[in-house]
Amino acid sequence: SQELEQSPQSLIVQEGKNLTINCTSSKTLYGLYWYKQKYGEGLIFLMMLQKGGEEKSHEKITAKLDEKKQQSSLHITASQPSHAGIYLCGAATITQGGSEKLVFGKGMKLTVNP
Amino acid sequence: DGGITQSPKYLFRKEGQNVTLSCEQNLNHDAMYWYRQDPGQGLRLIYYSQIVNDFQKGDIAEGYSVSREKKESFPLTVTSAQKNPTAFYLCASSFLDRVGDIQYFGAGTRLSVL
Repeated sequence: SQELEQSPQSLIVQEGKNLTINCTSSKTLYGLYWYKQKYGEGLIFLMMLQKGGEEKSHEKITAKLDEKKQQSSLHITASQPSHAGIYLCGAATITQGGSEKLVFGKGMKLTVNP
Repeated sequence: DGGITQSPKYLFRKEGQNVTLSCEQNLNHDAMYWYRQDPGQGLRLIYYSQIVNDFQKGDIAEGYSVSREKKESFPLTVTSAQKNPTAFYLCASSFLDRVGDIQYFGAGTRLSVL
């Protein structure tokens, strides 16, 4: 079965600093999703990557998928307190019945100090 | 507003009791999912449904049951057979269960045992 490992497990940064989160898969990624979660709340979709070498950006967040499609990174530029939360990566997997389900990493807790 | 509504936000279960968590969506999505989130363990798939009157077990279905009588609704029952039900439960939905179809999440229900 596919497993995702996120690193680091947690991170504390000063406001304004850049940071990178990594998500490494045990198998080739067919689709990689990044979500953000505030404690006790639902997941907010950030970005989805499918192609090797693909890169997407939204505001100050950039996500990349490596050429071999086994690792993704999420980079935050000039972090703000609003970036604080738990970041989860999810990998699309195909079930025996041909449908898709997501397998998630354990998440990375980000704290941004003002 | 379109979205996914989970209720209640907090739920308490007594020993031997079955409880039902509600999930309603007005996004006209075909697929719906239930996940369980425990601290430090990420999200794990309980059940999912692609169409009305059909659903499949996820990775941790034991002690849970679901129904899909309407496209908009996918309630989850936590039965007395689930010995460790305390967790944060998240419902999600997507248009189709193929790679590239984004899953959108509700705000979650926190279940505790009295």
